[in-house]
Amino acid sequence: SQTIHQWPATLVQPVGSPLSLECTVEGTSNPNLYWYRQAAGRGLQLLFYSVGIGQISSEVPQNLSASRPQDRQFILSSKKLLLSDSGFYLCAWSWGQANTEAFFGQGTRLTVV
Amino acid sequence: GNSVTQMEGPVTLSEEAFLTINCTYTATGYPSLFWYVQYPGEGLQLLLKATKADDKGSNKGFEATYRKETTSFHLEKGSVQVSDSAVYFCAPYYNQGGKLIFGQGTELSVKP
Repeated sequence: SQTIHQWPATLVQPVGSPLSLECTVEGTSNPNLYWYRQAAGRGLQLLFYSVGIGQISSEVPQNLSASRPQDRQFILSSKKLLLSDSGFYLCAWSWGQANTEAFFGQGTRLTVV
Repeated sequence: GNSVTQMEGPVTLSEEAFLTINCTYTATGYPSLFWYVQYPGEGLQLLLKATKADDKGSNKGFEATYRKETTSFHLEKGSVQVSDSAVYFCAPYYNQGGKLIFGQGTELSVKP
């Protein structure tokens, strides 16, 4: 069976510090991978998505970046965090076919102080 | 670019009332359409889906029909229950490029 792991669950970081959130998928190969941010009381904002190793599409220009160094690994990074980067970050994967659902990690609650 | 718009909430209904949550999407390409639900304190889970025009997705008494002519995928349920209280997200998946986007979510509160 397929599983998705996202860590850490919570993170408190000072302004200006770097960020690295990691997401890994097990039990499948060549998945589509996604990073979303969910603000309180609002929807999911697509940040980055990837259909293969080294292929990253960015949706929102900001000080975040994403990388996919391995087939089932997706990393969200920042060199210098801003207060506005606080939020709930969700990683998700899908088989990349039209009729398949996406499966979500447990999320990371990031607070920038 | 691709976008999706859904009815703003919160929506408050009495038990057994009829529910409609509107969703419209941009018609770049031919997306597959999904509704996800997030119950209080839980993660997102798939509610239903439709992958081509005129398809009807259904699950747990909820239904939505893929309307290509109006680029809509409205969610309906004939008789809501308290247990349906949750946030509902409309999500088109654009096959070319693999982009999956979500609407802003509609919070539903059902009162006994």
